[in-house]
Amino acid sequence: GAGVSQSPSNKVTEKGKDVELRCDPISGHTALYWYRQRLGQGLEFLIYFQGNSAPDKSGLPSDRFSAERTGESVSTLTIQRTQQEDSAVYLCASTQGAPRTQYFGPGTRLLVL
Amino acid sequence: QQPVQSPQAVILREGEDAVINCSSSKALYSVHWYRQKHGEAPVFLMILLKGGEQKGHEKISASFNEKKQQSSLYLTASQLSYSGTYFCGTADNTDKLIFGTGTRLQVFP
Repeated sequence: GAGVSQSPSNKVTEKGKDVELRCDPISGHTALYWYRQRLGQGLEFLIYFQGNSAPDKSGLPSDRFSAERTGESVSTLTIQRTQQEDSAVYLCASTQGAPRTQYFGPGTRLLVL
Repeated sequence: QQPVQSPQAVILREGEDAVINCSSSKALYSVHWYRQKHGEAPVFLMILLKGGEQKGHEKISASFNEKKQQSSLYLTASQLSYSGTYFCGTADNTDKLIFGTGTRLQVFP
């Protein structure tokens, strides 16, 4: 149906709090990616899910970051004990599989005070 | 590991041409090009697969030289709507896409 959706669209939190970011991929898309984009910067790969395979977590910057995906549906990115440097736009993208087009969600703007 | 794009920024007048380059230190299977406008999510432009193919979309085309591990994006007769940041994304024989450093393009009337 519709494109990739993400929630919340904006999140303001205090340093030290945990946050959960949600991504709803396009129905039927087997692969799902999370990226981080700091202000004025490029797209930083975080984690990649492909079907039932073990996720590629090689881009997660620290053990405060984790992500889950239920089957081929919703994914949640969790950041524990947030720090100010975590402030960024977190983008989710889904695809039917490489090397197909990645469809991006609108992103979640996270601000850690 | 992150592909390097050049130039970092381009300023054009409407109607002028531009070339954006993307280089990788790893063997590539495919190259993807995206454009991102300020405050918006990246939007897909095109994918090129190994084999040195060239693709085009209106006045935007691209080439992929797998031996040189490079791709170039060509924008001809630029329009105001071309303004934005262009990212290449590269994939090896895995499914993971790594995005380049980005090239900021501004087109003025």
